[in-house]
Amino acid sequence: GAVVSQHPSRVICKSGTSVKIECRSLDFQATTMFWYRQFPKQSLMLMATSNEGSKATYEQGVEKDKFLINHASLTLSTLTVTSAHPEDSSFYICSARDTTWWNSNQPQHFGDGTRLSIL
Amino acid sequence: AQKITQTQPGMFVQEKEAVTLDCTYDTSDQSYGLFWYKQPSSGEMIFLIYQGSYDEQNATEGRYSLNFQKARKSANLVISASQLGDSAMYFCAMREGSDSGGSNYKLTFGKGTLLTVNP
Repeated sequence: GAVVSQHPSRVICKSGTSVKIECRSLDFQATTMFWYRQFPKQSLMLMATSNEGSKATYEQGVEKDKFLINHASLTLSTLTVTSAHPEDSSFYICSARDTTWWNSNQPQHFGDGTRLSIL
Repeated sequence: AQKITQTQPGMFVQEKEAVTLDCTYDTSDQSYGLFWYKQPSSGEMIFLIYQGSYDEQNATEGRYSLNFQKARKSANLVISASQLGDSAMYFCAMREGSDSGGSNYKLTFGKGTLLTVNP
């Protein structure tokens, strides 16, 4: 079945550091990937839609310069949290859908998420 | 207004019994899709079941079934014969609009229901 790999699974770093998170679709192509953020005991909030070969589409209130998204290939999207601060600490999770199947039954498949802790 | 409403922050069920998790939605689109995902404490999002707005029959996947009542805009998840491993957070999500491209596929999630299965 469709598998999405997300790396790293956990990051602990100092304030001011930039952190890159990778999201890969392992056995299918994904022209579109999605990045979500989840605070403890809360729901997933969509941050941005990552489009292969073009600029990402950010949701209202999400800082584009803070959360840089690059979708350089059909199987890889990266999220870089620039100059991270403690308030950026959260669970970040990506998702992708096999876009070779033009069928709305195909669900989004999620990576295992990245727990980011900024000290 | 919330697009996805899950009114049960927490639910308890005895092992081997059935449980219903509520989900109501709000959309003006004629074409939409409804999804249920399970999130264990480890964080990954596991796809459970899908219901399309034009599907006449309720979706079923093993022990999971979706009680779709279109006029009431509800899409409740029914888990039969609960198992201890079913203890997790459950999210209802909606895709609005037709599946004409990746950007139309973004999901809106409810706040989730924490299910605890007691032995």
